[in-house]
Amino acid sequence: AQSVTQLGSHVSVSEGALVLLRCNYSSSVPPYLFWYVQYPNQGLQLLLKYTSAATLVKGINGFEAEFKKSETSFHLTKPSAHMSDAAEYFCAVSEGFGNEKLTFGTGTRLTIIP
Amino acid sequence: DGGITQSPKYLFRKEGQNVTLSCEQNLNHDAMYWYRQDPGQGLRLIYYSQIVNDFQKGDIAEGYSVSREKKESFPLTVTSAQKNPTAFYLCASSPPRHQGGWSGYTFGSGTRLTVV
Repeated sequence: AQSVTQLGSHVSVSEGALVLLRCNYSSSVPPYLFWYVQYPNQGLQLLLKYTSAATLVKGINGFEAEFKKSETSFHLTKPSAHMSDAAEYFCAVSEGFGNEKLTFGTGTRLTIIP
Repeated sequence: DGGITQSPKYLFRKEGQNVTLSCEQNLNHDAMYWYRQDPGQGLRLIYYSQIVNDFQKGDIAEGYSVSREKKESFPLTVTSAQKNPTAFYLCASSPPRHQGGWSGYTFGSGTRLTVV
């Protein structure tokens, strides 16, 4: 069965500092992996996705993530945090061809310190 | 522009009442989903539907019901049997997954339900 673990329910970084949000997955077959962002009282918006092509994936708003099969990880990074990055971030996994269900992590709330 | 529309944005329910949350999409997606979101618990799947006139229970279906009479619409009814309905409800849709890539889910903007 597929599952996702997000380490750290709350992460705080200073404006201009590196953002690192951790995601580890469990899947018995090569997975599809996603990062979504949610601003207060809004739906989730796709940041980026890995679908078995390049292992380093670039997304919107300067975010990127690297798929590391040996570590079963898909951590999200951004070189320099901006105040507008404050939001909740969700990692999700979909397992196997024909499986259209996403399993979500419990989310990480990112706070940016001025 | 294509997307998913959830209505209303805010909904208040009295004890013992049934309420229905609307979800409409014009993306021509086959699959639709309902999630419940509570602080610190992430997203929990209530129901999903992969085709018209068919739907399956998710992890927390008790106290909820759905219908899928049209491809574009997937309304969720929160019944009086749901003992703790106050939450943020999210609807999503997705296209079929083919070899070579998949766009994942598109989400609506959510409905916040409060019991008064």
